[in-house]
This record gives sequence, C-alpha cells and structure tokens, in this order.
Amino acid sequence: KNEVEQSPQNLTAQEGEFITINCSYSVGISALHWLQQHPGGGIVSLFMLSSGKKKHGRLIATINIQEKHSSLHITASHPRDSAVYICAPHPYYGGSQGNLIFGKGTKLSVKP
Amino acid sequence: AAGVIQSPRHLIKEKRETATLKCYPIPRHDTVYWYQQGPGQDPQFLISFYEKMQSDKGSIPDRFSAQQFSDYHSELNMSSLELGDSALYFCAIPGHSNTGELFFGEGSRLTVL
Repeated sequence: KNEVEQSPQNLTAQEGEFITINCSYSVGISALHWLQQHPGGGIVSLFMLSSGKKKHGRLIATINIQEKHSSLHITASHPRDSAVYICAPHPYYGGSQGNLIFGKGTKLSVKP
Repeated sequence: AAGVIQSPRHLIKEKRETATLKCYPIPRHDTVYWYQQGPGQDPQFLISFYEKMQSDKGSIPDRFSAQQFSDYHSELNMSSLELGDSALYFCAIPGHSNTGELFFGEGSRLTVL
C-alpha cells in the first residue's frame, strides 16, 4: 500500500468551480508540502503545512495531523490552474527536510 | 527571490555512458536536494547535501554520486547509464525564510537510448 494516497487522480472542472484535492498518508510526518507541476515539468511549491490551515490567494490548504489527512482547495478555478497537484509529506524517518514521499498527483484540467 | 538553475535542460546519452547534471542555487544556499521523476511517475528523493556534506540519502542507485562544491553548486554524476535512468532530474533548495517553501529548478531531462 502506498504511504501517500491522493484523490481524485484526475479532475475536470468548469471555470469558476470550487475544487478540492485530498491527500491521506499512513506514516508519521513533521510537515506536508503541496506542489504544483505544469506540463513542461517545472515544480512550484504552494504550501508547507505542519498544522491547521494556510491561505494564499485562491488557494487554501488544510491539514489534520491526527487523521493523517490534508486537503488543497482552489476557489474560483481558472484554466491557468490546470496542472498536476502533488502532496508530499516529510516523514519523521526522513532525515533532511527535502526527504519527501510524493503522492501520485492529481491532474486538474479547468475548462473555460 | 531565490531560484535554482539547472543544466543541461536536456541530455541524450547512450547506454553505459556517463552523465553529469548541474544545479546552481541563486543566491548561494547551504542545502540542496536532488529528485528523480521517471516518465509518468511521481518524484523520488535521491540525496541531499548541507554545507558540502551529504545529509541524507534516498533511493539513489550506487551508480550515481553527487557532490556539493565550495561555491555551493551541486552535481549529480551518473555512470553506466541504463534505459531506466531516463527521467527528469530536479534539484531544489529550501527558502531562506521559515515558511518551509522549496524552490525547484526546471529540471534536467535525461534520455538514455
């Protein structure tokens, strides 16, 4: 069983819709990253969370450490949000802060 | 703002050849992480350095080695290349603030024929 599970794997939305991507993990973690990967391959870090909730523009990320679950929400989605969103926790057994375990990603396509 | 420059962006090699990928943090940073992402795969952590010393090791094959130099650029050396080494290789650095943000390079795409 994968240590990190994301859902859905693929998501198609209409512009303006509210989007939720979920991430569940099975190991103890100290923090969790949400990353955005565009078709060309470049990766952008969206959030790092260790508790609670963070907001940046139209993006909101939440984490429940006890339930081993995190969500990424996009409000008023736009075609430029189309990308793969990756959940990447930092497990306690990972030595350095960059030793992340990566989810398989959620491919989001927002139609105009 | 922090960033990372990787070179080359694309590289084509034959099996059993050697390849070297380079990573330049802008500005200099004492920490660097390397990742490998195979076609259609999720990224995998390979190795990290702090102050020119290896700080952590992930799923890096023995045929691969890496270094962080005195000017804080880093290199990933891959020898006896195999078809399965074809992948996108990223390096990343942590931000200088305490947000935990990571800054990724655009990646070096290695194709082994």
